[in-house]
Amino acid sequence: DAMVIQNPRYQVTQFGKPVTLSCSQTLNHNVMYWYQQKSSQAPKLLFHYYDKDFNNEADTPDNFQSRRPNTSFCFLDIRSPGLGDAAMYLCATSFGGRAVGELFFGEGSRLTVL
Amino acid sequence: AQSVTQPDIHITVSEGASLELRCNYSYGATPYLFWYVQSPGQGLQLLLKYFSGDTLVQGIKGFEAEFKRSQSSFNLRKPSVHWSDAAEYFCAVGVIKAAGNKLTFGGGTRVLVKP
Repeated sequence: DAMVIQNPRYQVTQFGKPVTLSCSQTLNHNVMYWYQQKSSQAPKLLFHYYDKDFNNEADTPDNFQSRRPNTSFCFLDIRSPGLGDAAMYLCATSFGGRAVGELFFGEGSRLTVL
Repeated sequence: AQSVTQPDIHITVSEGASLELRCNYSYGATPYLFWYVQSPGQGLQLLLKYFSGDTLVQGIKGFEAEFKRSQSSFNLRKPSVHWSDAAEYFCAVGVIKAAGNKLTFGGGTRVLVKP
């Protein structure tokens, strides 16, 4: 089945130690998103790629970076994780363009910062 | 800017009873509306969506939602709840932008199902 796959599902890191989360998709969607979801809160958009164009949300901290080497893969890099970055990170994809397409989500990567 | 409000943080319902989750949105143009469900530790699954046309939308797992423009609402309903419906439910509004389409989510409603 076509899907959005996130790795790892669970990541434990130490305060300040860089972390990379990955997302791959077989849907051939041109838009890929990274959301941060803290406990009992709504998902919050960090940034998204529209094809190769990177779009950062205004309030996304510089500590968060992203790479999209090709259509299928997207990475979330947290350069120096703090305790406040502990969260579920959700990758999603959609068809961008004139019609708003639904987002297809991965299972998420839960980050713990010690 | 668009926004979504889900007034109920928690709802407890007995198995077999009906369920209604409220969603109010704020957006200046025609909204694109979605309901997603999230089981603990999982990603979000789309239940249903409204783009245009019939204001009563049918979704998966027996859910439906009604778009009411006059009330800026998109409430989710299910006639008879099953224990497996215990989850968190998110309403979202979609926005078309030149840089890509984005969803803004409401705060979510956690549903607990009593036996």
